Amino acid sequence: EDQVTQSPEALRLQEGESSSLNCSYTVSGLRGLFWYRQDPGKGPEFLFTLYSAGEEKEKERLKATLTKKESFLHITAPKPEDSATYLCAVQARMNDMRFGAGTRLTVKP
Amino acid sequence: TAGITQAPTSQILAAGRSMTLRCTQDMRHNAMYWYRQDLGLGLRLIHYSNTAGTTGKGEVPDGYSVSRANTDDFPLTLASAVPSQTSVYFCASSDRFGGYTFGSGTRLTVV
Repeated sequence: EDQVTQSPEALRLQEGESSSLNCSYTVSGLRGLFWYRQDPGKGPEFLFTLYSAGEEKEKERLKATLTKKESFLHITAPKPEDSATYLCAVQARMNDMRFGAGTRLTVKP
Repeated sequence: TAGITQAPTSQILAAGRSMTLRCTQDMRHNAMYWYRQDLGLGLRLIHYSNTAGTTGKGEVPDGYSVSRANTDDFPLTLASAVPSQTSVYFCASSDRFGGYTFGSGTRLTVV
């Protein structure tokens, strides 16, 4: 069965303190690994798709990387507005995107 | 602004009553989905539709039904609500294997 595990559950950083979020996955035939950002009271917002091991994607202070077993979301010099829950999801088949429980990130000024 | 509109935003529902959660998209995406989000469990797929006229079951379909009469609308119906259906419900759409676009959610409390 496809599984997605995110760690840590929660992360508190000082503004400017870089760190990484982890997404470990078990899936038969990965078609894509997705990262989303979710703000309180809102729906998830799509950030990145990674398709194969070694691939990297960047957007502002965020960089996502992918290996055969896990993905990392690196946050460089975070700002308070980066505070949110970050969700990882894997897709092996159409109509079957499996989500992790998320990492709740808080960035203090 | 293009996207997904969900209604209502929140609802308190008596156990045993029925309710339909509405979802409309204006992006002409073929695929649409209903997820529920519960603390510690993440998002779980309830039902999906690949195109108008077709639907399929996800991971947690029991107690829910859907229909897809046209491309834009994908309502979710609870025939007889139970307290375990208390959750936040998200509708989403996608274009084949791309990332999903989500609505803002419906917070449902069954008492």
